[in-house]
Amino acid sequence: NAGVTQTPKFQVLKTGQSMTLQCAQDMNHEYMSWYRQDPGMGLRLIHYSVGAGITDQGEVPNGYNVSRSTTEDFPLRLLSAAPSQTSVYFCASRQLAGGNQETQYFGPGTRLLVL
Amino acid sequence: GESVGLHLPTLSVQEGDNSIINCAYSNSASDYFIWYKQESGKGPQFIIDIRSNMDKRQGQRVTVLLNKTVKHLSLQIAATQPGDSAVYFCAENRGSNYKLTFGKGTLLTVNP
Repeated sequence: NAGVTQTPKFQVLKTGQSMTLQCAQDMNHEYMSWYRQDPGMGLRLIHYSVGAGITDQGEVPNGYNVSRSTTEDFPLRLLSAAPSQTSVYFCASRQLAGGNQETQYFGPGTRLLVL
Repeated sequence: GESVGLHLPTLSVQEGDNSIINCAYSNSASDYFIWYKQESGKGPQFIIDIRSNMDKRQGQRVTVLLNKTVKHLSLQIAATQPGDSAVYFCAENRGSNYKLTFGKGTLLTVNP
């Protein structure tokens, strides 16, 4: 299994530009989520999904859209990038069943700079 | 503000020593806690977890202790190695849908 993959690894945008951060997992996990990580801070939840066709907001959803058309993919869209969205973005996935399967698996991250 | 925090933002230890990283949480309803390790330039990696019906859980070289009375969580790393150098995050689960809240992290540096 490749686990959780994210593309691109790095991206530079100008203010107002749009882009989509891709996330895919091959573990058949129902739950997927997006976090952002800023210097000196922990991860903050942006959006999450508990299955195809179902999404919900996390702690910091403003400025971001998501969709979940398939179990495998969970793209994060920035419609009009702002400098405040400069951050490292992590995608994660997990099974919804309990027990030891509750751990989340994180992707390698996408580093985004908005000028 | 953050309900999950760390007492020490940085920790420096000698190789071979034991390390203890602490974490405080404020929500008594939290029922699941996880420790993650994040190396530079990488995503967080699961280390160990514990449920609120337990007070101790051991893994390979790591032990997590949970004190619900004072809402305190700790990660103990035995015989710390240079490869353990990383930022360590605690996270808590407050409810359904597995919405984790992360602490700010502790940077562990292991000196050879």
